[in-house]
Amino acid sequence: QKEVEQNSGPLSVPEGAIASLNCTYSDRGSQSFFWYRQYSGKSPELIMSIYSNGDKEDGRFTAQLNKASQYVSLLIRDSQPSDSATYLCAVNVFRFQKLVFGTGTRLLVSP
Amino acid sequence: DAGVIQSPRHEVTEMGQEVTLRCKPISGHDYLFWYRQTMMRGLELLIYFNNNVPIDDSGMPEDRFSAKMPNASFSTLKIQPSEPRDSAVYFCASSVQGAYGYTFGSGTRLTVV
Repeated sequence: QKEVEQNSGPLSVPEGAIASLNCTYSDRGSQSFFWYRQYSGKSPELIMSIYSNGDKEDGRFTAQLNKASQYVSLLIRDSQPSDSATYLCAVNVFRFQKLVFGTGTRLLVSP
Repeated sequence: DAGVIQSPRHEVTEMGQEVTLRCKPISGHDYLFWYRQTMMRGLELLIYFNNNVPIDDSGMPEDRFSAKMPNASFSTLKIQPSEPRDSAVYFCASSVQGAYGYTFGSGTRLTVV
């Protein structure tokens, strides 16, 4: 079992729709969770972090965490073509100062 | 701030040759991470340093790989001898709070033929 799992996609949504990206993790000691966005040929950039159960909103982005189910999600409201990218879920276990990444979900937003 | 600087951006080398990748972290960041990214395996952590000291090198695939951080502003990842399966994009990242707030460099695309 991989430590962090994501559906590779592509996930296709029309412009203006809500895109829902999901991630599961295996280590129950995980304490911090991150979403990175990576455009083709570019490096990953941090867009959201979440540390406690529930929702965290930042503009059009909402991160959701359910530690009991070992599940993290990212919702993108009013999706734009510029949101088309690969979204990487990353997990940190407190005692180690490093991130484990999923393989990413490719999102395609069509005009 | 110039961000994390990696060189070269692209490297094409023949199998068996030595390859050295370079990274300059953001000034003041005391954590430095080396990752490798492939389509099949995604982003894999190879090694990370804290205050120039290697903390976890469990991701280094084999003895052909080595990494050093001689000072706070420079790190190298060396592959000797290189093999075609080493072809990937190698990213360096730095942070001031460990796993929080990584900043990635632009990456080095390595092709071994």
